This record gives sequence, structure tokens and C-alpha cells, in this order.
Amino acid sequence: DAGITQSPRYKITETGRQVTLMCHQTWSHSYMFWYRQDLGHGLRLIYYSAAADITDKGEVPDGYVVSRSKTENFPLTLESATRSQTSVYFCASRKLAGDPWYNEQFFGPGTRLTVL
Amino acid sequence: AQKVTQAQTEISVVEKEDVTLDCVYETRDTTYYLFWYKQPPSGELVFLIRRNSFDEQNEISGRYSWNFQKSTSSFNFTITASQVVDSAVYFCALSETMDAGGTSYGKLTFGQGTILTVHP
Repeated sequence: DAGITQSPRYKITETGRQVTLMCHQTWSHSYMFWYRQDLGHGLRLIYYSAAADITDKGEVPDGYVVSRSKTENFPLTLESATRSQTSVYFCASRKLAGDPWYNEQFFGPGTRLTVL
Repeated sequence: AQKVTQAQTEISVVEKEDVTLDCVYETRDTTYYLFWYKQPPSGELVFLIRRNSFDEQNEISGRYSWNFQKSTSSFNFTITASQVVDSAVYFCALSETMDAGGTSYGKLTFGQGTILTVHP
């Protein structure tokens, strides 16, 4: 099915472990984003990407790494997970500027990550 | 820097009451977009409306209406005759049109969210 998917949907890991959250979209959208959702903070941008091999930091990038070797995939890696990274993570994508739905972002279903 | 404030953390109403969710934003951009998203208990984010900074017309869609006022930097959302299914977290968000490098990524700055509970 077309759309944006995230995997896993739920993950429990331990402090210090590396974990990768996957994001895949079938629309060939140029722009992709990673947000984390925490109570009292809404959603905050971690990293974003304008195209394959082009990524940049958002508001809260520390402790995270991203890559984008293919347009459709945008994995987020926690290199050494900490308890403060317990959160719900959302991936989103957006069409290239100039489209009538210029700035609308489409969100994946989210990944709930717990770091023990 | 951009900022979105939703001062109401939680609102509780009884079914059929009208409810307004407040959103105040800050930006130095002259062109920007404002959004409302709904997050029901199932957790997904559902797009409700987009408004650009040049369009101050209020909009009504069924029981939903939006009041955009540039003079007060507000983009408030009203649900008329609320229903239990309206119970959700509602987010207001602001999108930049250009970053410092002159590129538009459409990054969203979200408010903290308002938890709306509609009781039967």
C-alpha cells in the first residue's frame, strides 16, 4: 500500500544499546523529517532531509544519527540509547516545493520507544 | 526563532458544548503556513487544515471552524456541538517558508498540544 510506514511500532531497549528506527515512504517525496513527541513539548524536530544524501539537524539532534541513501528510506539511529530518549518518534514526508500542497507534511504511524 | 504556544494544556467539556482551542504563534517570516493536526487515542497524526499567511478568511468545515488573525498572531480552532469522537490531542503548527540558507524545507514548529476530552 502507498504511504509512509515506520518500523518497529514498539521497541523496548536498554541503556547503551544501539537502536535503529526505520521510515519508508512510497510517494517519492523529496523531504523527510523525524520528530519526537514528549508530553508538554509537542513534537520536536530531530533531523530532516531534502533529498538522498542531504540531511541536516533540527531542534534536538544530540544522540541521534540519520542517513538517506535512497529517497524512500530515512532511518534514525540512536547510537547509545539513554532513558531521556524514551519517546514516541514520528517520521514525516513532504512533496517538493511548488506543489499545490506545498507545505503539508504526511506523518507515519509512530514508533513508541522505551529505554530501560 | 519560531514559536507556537497552546496555553490550554487540557480542556474538558460535556457533549454538545462548543469548545475553542487557542493557538498563538511567533515568526519573523512574512510568508508562512499554519496547520492544525488531530491526534486521536490511536496515536496517528491527522491533518485538519492549512492556512497561509496571506489568507485571513475564516473557514468553516462542518462542525469545525478556524479563526486566523494576523494582528494578534492567533489561529484558533472551534468545535461546535462537540462529540465524544472529538476527544483527542490537538496540535497547532507553524511552517517556515525559507530557512537561513534560502531553502524551503517546510519544517514544522509545533505547539505543546491541547488534550480535549468530551464527556457523554
